[in-house]
Amino acid sequence: SQQGEEDPQALSIQEGENATMNCSYKTSINNLQWYRQNSGRGLVHLILIRSNEREKHSGRLRVTLDTSKKSSSLLITASRAADTASYFCAKETSGSRLTFGEGTQLTVNP
Amino acid sequence: DTAVSQTPKYLVTQMGNDKSIKCEQNLGHDTMYWYKQDSKKFLKIMFSYNNKELIINETVPNRFSPKSPDKAHLNLHINSLELGDSAVYFCASTKGGIADTQYFGPGTRLTVL
Repeated sequence: SQQGEEDPQALSIQEGENATMNCSYKTSINNLQWYRQNSGRGLVHLILIRSNEREKHSGRLRVTLDTSKKSSSLLITASRAADTASYFCAKETSGSRLTFGEGTQLTVNP
Repeated sequence: DTAVSQTPKYLVTQMGNDKSIKCEQNLGHDTMYWYKQDSKKFLKIMFSYNNKELIINETVPNRFSPKSPDKAHLNLHINSLELGDSAVYFCASTKGGIADTQYFGPGTRLTVL
């Protein structure tokens, strides 16, 4: 199964700190996407990184991809209380399959 | 305007009943999806339609039947509801295929009693 493993499952930090979430996978991917889900809401796309890319930035978000280690990380810098949410990685593999990980619940304390 | 909308937001029903969830997207996207998110937040794709044609049909009970009257709508009908069907169901759409950015609806929380 390509179900991704994300760690940590839960992360609690103070406002202003950085938050790092990791996502690993087992087989080759075409791209990997990160999504955020606020409580009671649908998922919102954050960043897409292709298999031939190593790093992408968007505002306070930085995503890295290490295909040799089959892992990706999402870094949120200078976190805010509004960043409190669940964060999911989604792997797109050949055969047009998109598999979501189990998510990391991030809590940013004011 | 809401890009991807679902109705109803909440659905509480008895075992054995039949229910439908509706989804509409006004993004002009070609592909729509249904996902199921369980109590542990694990999100799994159920179906995908491209321009009204079924292209992904994951292993789900045949009590679940998607219907796409046009490319802006993808409805989900569930027959003979079971306790294990309780979950949050999300509709999503992409401009092209599954590799594109998914735009999710707000979800429908289904509770089967």
